[in-house]
Amino acid sequence: QKEVEQNSGPLSVPEGAIASLNCTYSDRGSQSFFWYRQYSGKSPELIMFIYSNGDKEDGRFTAQLNKASQYVSLLIRDSQPSDSATYLCAAGGYNKLIFGAGTRLAVHP
Amino acid sequence: KAGVTQTPRYLIKTRGQQVTLSCSPISGHRSVSWYQQTPGQGLQFLFEYFSETQRNKGNFPGRFSGRQFSNSRSEMNVSTLELGDSALYLCASRPGSSYNEQFFGPGTRLTVL
Repeated sequence: QKEVEQNSGPLSVPEGAIASLNCTYSDRGSQSFFWYRQYSGKSPELIMFIYSNGDKEDGRFTAQLNKASQYVSLLIRDSQPSDSATYLCAAGGYNKLIFGAGTRLAVHP
Repeated sequence: KAGVTQTPRYLIKTRGQQVTLSCSPISGHRSVSWYQQTPGQGLQFLFEYFSETQRNKGNFPGRFSGRQFSNSRSEMNVSTLELGDSALYLCASRPGSSYNEQFFGPGTRLTVL
């Protein structure tokens, strides 16, 4: 079992819709969770982080964390074609940060 | 604050050669991690340095090595290059522990011919 799992996609959504990206992790000691966006040929860019159970909103992005279910998600509202990228989920514990393989999101006009 | 910088940005080498990549973290960040990214394998963790000491290591052969200097700048070295080493090598820095956000540099694109 991989430590951080994501559906590889592609997840295809129409412009203006909500994109929902999911991630599960296996290490219950993980305390911090991050979402990165990576455009093709570029390096990952941090877009959200969350430490506590519940929701955290930043503009069009909402991160959700459920530690009991070991589940993290990222919602992107009003999806735009410029949101088309690979989204990487990462879980951090003591001296360890583990990345998932990423979910490719395609937003079509 | 300036971001993470990596040099060189692009590199072409031939099999059997060795290569050294450099990373300068964000000012004040003491942790530097290195990753290899290929289309087939995704983001693979190489190693992490904190205060000049290797704190974590991924599952890579001994041909891959690194070090960190007292100013937190880091280098990674790959000896006896193989075709499969062609990849984007990413460096990331953070203040200290894994609870902190980690920021990536632009990467070094290595091509081995």
